[in-house]
Amino acid sequence: GIQVEQSPPDLILQEGANSTLRCNFSDSVNNLQWFHQNPWGQLINLFYIPSGTKQNGRLSATTVATERYSLLYISSSQTTDSGVYFCAVDPPQGAQKLVFGQGTRLTINP
Amino acid sequence: DTGVSQDPRHKITKRGQNVTFRCDPISEHNRLYWYRQTLGQGPEFLTYFQNEAQLEKSRLLSDRFSAERPKGSFSTLEIQRTEQGDSAMYLCASSIQGRITEAFFGQGTRLTVV
Repeated sequence: GIQVEQSPPDLILQEGANSTLRCNFSDSVNNLQWFHQNPWGQLINLFYIPSGTKQNGRLSATTVATERYSLLYISSSQTTDSGVYFCAVDPPQGAQKLVFGQGTRLTINP
Repeated sequence: DTGVSQDPRHKITKRGQNVTFRCDPISEHNRLYWYRQTLGQGPEFLTYFQNEAQLEKSRLLSDRFSAERPKGSFSTLEIQRTEQGDSAMYLCASSIQGRITEAFFGQGTRLTVV
């Protein structure tokens, strides 16, 4: 099946810094989503981005489907950005069964 | 409708007991998914429904697990004869079948088997 790899696994930054999280996938996909898992375990939708670039406030994402990767950018980090960020893809077999990466744990220190 | 709702949020049970979790999807969503997440890992697909039909089950879903979605609305996930290895976060998601298939997740049910 499709493989999803996220890097780095852990990232520790000071408040105000910028960061880039990467997601590589091994096959073509119908859909790609980025999530932030809050301390209580809920997955919060950040972006639905099968291709192209989207921005939402301090966050933006780019997916280059032909090269099988996606990037999540966080600018001017705040302590509330801490948590685990997941990339998940929907393989071409359809039915939107998401395959998740292992996540990037982001820690923003004050 | 404020999103996908799961109940209970936490469940502690003794090994060998049966447990049942409930998921209420976003009302207009016809697809409903169950995922399991263990500590330090990403969520893994368990099963999904389109309306009331259960269309696929992962090999992770042993015969002690059963899921239903009567009338195509809420869903239940039952685990019989729980084992310590069943301890995990159980996540429910829903989406609409169509061109835009963004999935939305509930808060999850954290199961601890002691």
